[in-house]
Amino acid sequence: DAGITQSPRHKVTETGTPVTLRCHQTENHRYMYWYRQDPGHGLRLIHYSYGVKDTDKGEVSDGYSVSRSKTEDFLLTLESATSSQTSVYFCAISEGQLVAKNIQYFGAGTRLSVL
Amino acid sequence: AQTVTQSQPEMSVQEAETVTLSCTYDTSESDYYLFWYKQPPSRQMILVIRQEAYKQQNATENRFSVNFQKAAKSFSLKISDSQLGDAAMYFCATNGGATNKLIFGTGTLLAVQP
Repeated sequence: DAGITQSPRHKVTETGTPVTLRCHQTENHRYMYWYRQDPGHGLRLIHYSYGVKDTDKGEVSDGYSVSRSKTEDFLLTLESATSSQTSVYFCAISEGQLVAKNIQYFGAGTRLSVL
Repeated sequence: AQTVTQSQPEMSVQEAETVTLSCTYDTSESDYYLFWYKQPPSRQMILVIRQEAYKQQNATENRFSVNFQKAAKSFSLKISDSQLGDAAMYFCATNGGATNKLIFGTGTLLAVQP
């Protein structure tokens, strides 16, 4: 199994509070991704990173920011959580986009509830 | 833009029987891959099988195989000799472009009846 750790695994917070989710990998993979999973939508990309300090937006990036100061860590921050951000958040990593390297491996997910 | 459509929200199969999950996609990428991921109740996303779009030969992994019809943009998953452990949500996905980001379908929930 790919060495991916998401923390926390569960979190309950209140509307308007900041929240940071952490993804830590031990595989030294270049690419890291944050997805959210909601019923009826599958998984949707929030942000991704293609190297240290190199990040870009995905399809549902509003209300989220990310940072990657080290290869192994990719942080997702909700600056001011809203109820619409209640979801399950997955981190994924991949070695690259070339053949045999483009498989994405997923963490166990973080269930976030915003009350 | 890339889209992935799974038109079967739920499916059911008897243990030891065969079931096929459907997936259609649309992409403007010339070089792309297609994936099936399994998500059991544990919530872990597990790669089941991967298909390279430029390969005509259908991918196979043990009891799992795909029927890839590039012209029709169809990518179905066949599970043979279904087992109770196959019960899960199955997601079809495609990637493409320099970022390798995945576009997922909405999933098919597979139940396996003993």
